[in-house]
Amino acid sequence: GEDVEQSLFLSVREGDSSVINCTYTDSSSTYLYWYKQEPGAGLQLLTYIFSNMDMKQDQRLTVLLNKKDKHLSLRIADTQTGDSAIYFCAETTGGYNKLIFGAGTRLAVHP
Amino acid sequence: SQTIHQWPATLVQPVGSPLSLECTVEGTSNPNLYWYRQAAGRGLQLLFYSVGIGQISSEVPQNLSASRPQDRQFILSSKKLLLSDSGFYLCAWSVVPGTGELFFGEGSRLTVL
Repeated sequence: GEDVEQSLFLSVREGDSSVINCTYTDSSSTYLYWYKQEPGAGLQLLTYIFSNMDMKQDQRLTVLLNKKDKHLSLRIADTQTGDSAIYFCAETTGGYNKLIFGAGTRLAVHP
Repeated sequence: SQTIHQWPATLVQPVGSPLSLECTVEGTSNPNLYWYRQAAGRGLQLLFYSVGIGQISSEVPQNLSASRPQDRQFILSSKKLLLSDSGFYLCAWSVVPGTGELFFGEGSRLTVL
């Protein structure tokens, strides 16, 4: 069945890099996504990667995709306190733009 | 530009009472619409999606229902709430074809007592 798994919590020091990992199951996903949720708010798309790409870089964000292992990661360089949030990995499945989300990784940034 | 409105933002309801959450989208036509639920400490669960007026697909059996009376309006309802219906409900829209990106509302927090 469809399942997206990610670790629930990550703590990093301000200025360090953060790496959030995710595994997914649907190898037919055309796109894979990273969303960010700040406290009490909805989700906002951070970045996405097309399934035929291995890497995508967007300013401080780097997404790595290993299709063989069905592994997706998000690296945030120079992590700031404003990056503290919950980060969700998501895959598309079954058409109609249905997204299956992981449980979310809570990123805590400390001085 | 497109915007999505969701209300009410916060709701406290007794067990057995009805529920109506409303979502409207502006600035786009014929969007796909979605209702997700986020339970405390858990991920997002897709509840319903709609590809057009009156077309509703349910992803999980539950105590809730959805309706789409107009192109850009999506309503989540229940006749009798259960304690387990508590959670953070998120409406979202997307356009097809596209990258599959979902645009989320700010969410409605429901507490059933």
